[in-house]
Amino acid sequence: SQQGEEDPQALSIQEGENATMNCSYKTSINNLQWYRQNSGRGLVHLILIRSNEREKHSGRLRVTLDTSKKSSSLLITASRAADTASYFCATDASMTRQLTFGSGTQLTVLP
Amino acid sequence: KAGVTQTPRYLIKTRGQQVTLSCSPISGHRSVSWYQQTPGQGLQFLFEYFSETQRNKGNFPGRFSGRQFSNSRSEMNVSTLELGDSALYLCASSLSPAQETQYFGPGTRLLVL
Repeated sequence: SQQGEEDPQALSIQEGENATMNCSYKTSINNLQWYRQNSGRGLVHLILIRSNEREKHSGRLRVTLDTSKKSSSLLITASRAADTASYFCATDASMTRQLTFGSGTQLTVLP
Repeated sequence: KAGVTQTPRYLIKTRGQQVTLSCSPISGHRSVSWYQQTPGQGLQFLFEYFSETQRNKGNFPGRFSGRQFSNSRSEMNVSTLELGDSALYLCASSLSPAQETQYFGPGTRLLVL
């Protein structure tokens, strides 16, 4: 079963705009990770934020984590057509490395 | 350094058959996890192996099994295939269970007819 939900399920924006995706989860976590998947291929790890962190940046990516609300958001700034993909959040609730994935957000960036 | 490789990339089987999928982790990585991805259920954890031992198993029937070899390569087997087993099967590796980031392979797309 999935740990949580992501919204929106689909997002379509113009190149250069910012894209924000949200993730909610249900249980306490050690960390939360964001992955990107292009057209049903493998997942690419984007960024990891630990439960004691509130915000993290990596290039054009900004992730926030609110453990009191059990939610996270991923912001992609100055989006490009190449950012078109599905984005998944995944939570690691124990030390067993069993990631529990959200339902994903399909992002389309129009040129 | 080469990434995670999975073979075969595509596979077509019929109901009742069995299938074996292979995963070669990144060189030096000793932890391997498997995930199933379907449109209906999304991404679901199957099992994790480290040092040839299964450390954790997801909520899948016993028809799904796996193993890991001394060189860290892993295989998963699905016996008595059902139509619902059609999915993208993803393998991920990490240096050890203590490493939080997992690196995913391209997946094996299985179609059961």
